[in-house]
Amino acid sequence: GQQVMQIPQYQHVQEGEDFTTYCNSSTTLSNIQWYKQRPGGHPVFLIQLVKSGEVKKQKRLTFQFGEAKKNSSLHITATQTTDVGTYFCAGRGSTLGRLYFGRGTQLTVWP
Amino acid sequence: NAGVTQTPKFQVLKTGQSMTLQCAQDMNHNSMYWYRQDPGMGLRLIYYSASEGTTDKGEVPNGYNVSRLNKREFSLRLESAAPSQTSVYFCASRDRVDTGELFFGEGSRLTVL
Repeated sequence: GQQVMQIPQYQHVQEGEDFTTYCNSSTTLSNIQWYKQRPGGHPVFLIQLVKSGEVKKQKRLTFQFGEAKKNSSLHITATQTTDVGTYFCAGRGSTLGRLYFGRGTQLTVWP
Repeated sequence: NAGVTQTPKFQVLKTGQSMTLQCAQDMNHNSMYWYRQDPGMGLRLIYYSASEGTTDKGEVPNGYNVSRLNKREFSLRLESAAPSQTSVYFCASRDRVDTGELFFGEGSRLTVL
């Protein structure tokens, strides 16, 4: 079946350092979404990318969707302690209702 | 505005017992989903309902049944709970089945002894 692979599983950074998490799919994705889950919380939607090569920014967060629509990345510039949590990508392939989540990258930020 | 409401928040079962997780959304969304989350495994889709009156299997449907009771409510039933079903269960909804933000409930933590 379709899988969305996400790396790294864990990332520890000093406050002010940058952070990047990557997602790769074995098949072409129709769209990809990113979610953030704080410890003990539920996933919260950050963004959706649809177009090949698309780049979107939200303040310090930059999201990219690869040209082949098989990979995506989330980059955080100058991390803050409020960025702590687990970041998930979620990709949709050809089956309309199936949104496949990566295993997530758990970000820890040291002050 | 409550969004997506799940009950119960916590439950402990013995192996072989049955239970139903309830989910309701007040956003008039067409599509609803049940995911389970295990440490290091991300979220895995159990079942989803693209619209009222339809349900489809996800990645890990074995051992579960669902009912789309009406447009607001989507329940998940464990007929004979097993320790492997110990997990955190999330219900989610969105307006369209193929795109758009998923709104999640706060989760239901289930332990099967």
